[in-house]
Parts: sequence; C-alpha cells; structure tokens
Amino acid sequence: EAGVTQSPRYAVLQEGQAVSFWCDPISGHDTLYWYQQPRDQGPQLLVYFRDEAVIDNSQLPSDRFSAVRPKGTNSTLKIQSAKQGDTATYLCASSSSYEQYFGPGTRLTVL
Amino acid sequence: AEKVIQVWSTASRQEGEELTLDCSYETSQVLYHLFWYKHLLSGEMVFLIRQTSSSTAKERSGRYSVVFQKSLKSISLIISALQPDDSGKYFCALWERGTNAYKVIFGKGTHLHVLP
Repeated sequence: EAGVTQSPRYAVLQEGQAVSFWCDPISGHDTLYWYQQPRDQGPQLLVYFRDEAVIDNSQLPSDRFSAVRPKGTNSTLKIQSAKQGDTATYLCASSSSYEQYFGPGTRLTVL
Repeated sequence: AEKVIQVWSTASRQEGEELTLDCSYETSQVLYHLFWYKHLLSGEMVFLIRQTSSSTAKERSGRYSVVFQKSLKSISLIISALQPDDSGKYFCALWERGTNAYKVIFGKGTHLHVLP
C-alpha cells in the first residue's frame, strides 16, 4: 500500500513569492491534515479536512494561506506572498481513525 | 502556555540500554488520546504507540511501551534494548476535542542518540 506522498520535497523562494504544496493521502483515508513544523519545533496543525469539508482551519493564517481538497482525495496548500517566518517543513498526514500517517514533508526556505 | 511538554531536548544512550522519554500535558477534557511518534532523518513521521485516557491497559508495541500516569497528566515512552536505528527525534502528541473539532498538539520533541 502506498503511503502519503507530497511534492515538491524542497522549495526555495524570495519573500513575496507564492508556492503550492501538493498531498496525495493513503487511499481510503477520509481525513487529511496539514502541519507546519518550524526547525526544532513539533508539528503545528494548520488545517484538516474530512472528505472535502474543512473541519478546522483556525490555525491557518487566512490572509496568505489557503488549502483545498475539492474531491476529498488530493489536497493543495498554497502560500501567497511568502514571508521569511514561513520557513518550515510542511507535513501532510492522513487517517481513517486516530492513527495518522505522515508524508515526507516539503521543506520550504523563504529568503 | 505549552500544552505538551517534553522536558529533555536531547538524550544519549548506549546500544542495549533502556530509555524513558517523559511527556507532560494539559487538558480539561475527559476523553483524549496521547501518541508517540518518531521523526526519521528522511523526514517521515512514524506512529509508535497510542494511549487512550479511558484505558488502564499498559500499552505495548514491540520494544515500545508507555507508563501512563493520568492523575499527573504524564505519559512516558520506554524503549527497551536500544539499537543505533532508534536514533531520531521522538514526539509526544495530545489529541483532544475542542469546541468544534479535534485538536492535535505536539511537543517540541526529544532527540535521541544511540551510541554503538
């Protein structure tokens, strides 16, 4: 069974540029999570979906971040006008119960 | 205030020894779950073991086990017979129900070095 896949694995941007991250969850998992993990910190939940519905996006900086999961499968996280403080690894996870399976992450550096 | 605290940022042990990683947490919920994950160098976060607040069973999975002290709001991960491949960063996470949705809160992690 394929695990959670993410792309790209790395991204380097100048401040003000936009970037999108893509996640393909494990087949059959109805819940998908996006986390931000700054260096030397634990993952911090940004948003999560059950099927195509956003369940909680209270930690998502709504002015520059957006996330969609239009068909309840793949998901895209987008950052408009990136800032240096967005430098972090962005993790996607999926689950069908409490146990989450994580992807390898996208390491973002904003210069 | 931090809700999940892992006091030790790093730990070192010799191969074959046993290690206990401590985690404390804050919650007002009756029902919640606690997880331990290992973060590999490849970037992958691997699930190790789960403890449900309502369970009194001593959870165990292979060389991993937990000591759950609910009244102290503490959960420790015990890794027995350490191997060099156990090196990595270990995260404790709390899963609790918020107002409208579940909240997942991770600690900052403990970096483990296992020396051959």
